Amino acid sequence: DSGVTQTPKHLITATGQRVTLRCSPRSGDLSVYWYQQSLDQGLQFLIQYYNGEERAKGNILERFSAQQFPDLHSELNLSSLELGDSALYFCASSVASGYYNEQFFGPGTRLTVL
Amino acid sequence: QKEVEQDPGPLSVPEGAIVSLNCTYSNSAFQYFMWYRQYSRKGPELLMYTYSSGNKEDGRFTAQVDKSSKYISLFIRDSQPSDSATYLCAMSHSGGSNYKLTFGKGTLLTVNP
Repeated sequence: DSGVTQTPKHLITATGQRVTLRCSPRSGDLSVYWYQQSLDQGLQFLIQYYNGEERAKGNILERFSAQQFPDLHSELNLSSLELGDSALYFCASSVASGYYNEQFFGPGTRLTVL
Repeated sequence: QKEVEQDPGPLSVPEGAIVSLNCTYSNSAFQYFMWYRQYSRKGPELLMYTYSSGNKEDGRFTAQVDKSSKYISLFIRDSQPSDSATYLCAMSHSGGSNYKLTFGKGTLLTVNP
């Protein structure tokens, strides 16, 4: 158990809908990262927050957004969902930003868009 | 060309075999090199981490980095059925932008008893 929690574990929804994925980092970790894992693209970095502020963006679609709250939990919002958004979404956390530090991954949320 | 290339396998070996997993990369700015293990329906967990070139050993696992060839390897000695998983290489830059991990697609390994 990495100490990172994600809810829900599974999410099934329809095209055009909006969903929110939630992540609670390990106690003491200030950085939260979101990744998307699909069969064809592998594991891809979406976005990072550090202590409430956006720190870096990767291949995140405009339909997707995220935020980190004062209690450090984070939410990833996916809107106008398409079939191709079906994937595993992982949250990871680490102690700090700006230099290498181990990222601990949560168990993931499996999103299925029908 | 993708920044990180990894043979997806699958790789099937008998118990006790030596396993070699490899990744190549194109971005010379990568300084930190990691191997993650991912069991089915679980999140990735860090196995090994190496900074710059060289070798690192941890029990049955050895990680090697050859920056001149842009090539990294993970060796598993005396492989066990519990090693059956997907192995992902990951890399990041040094300096202020090294938070982002760039992953290979992963190699699915099965160790048969």
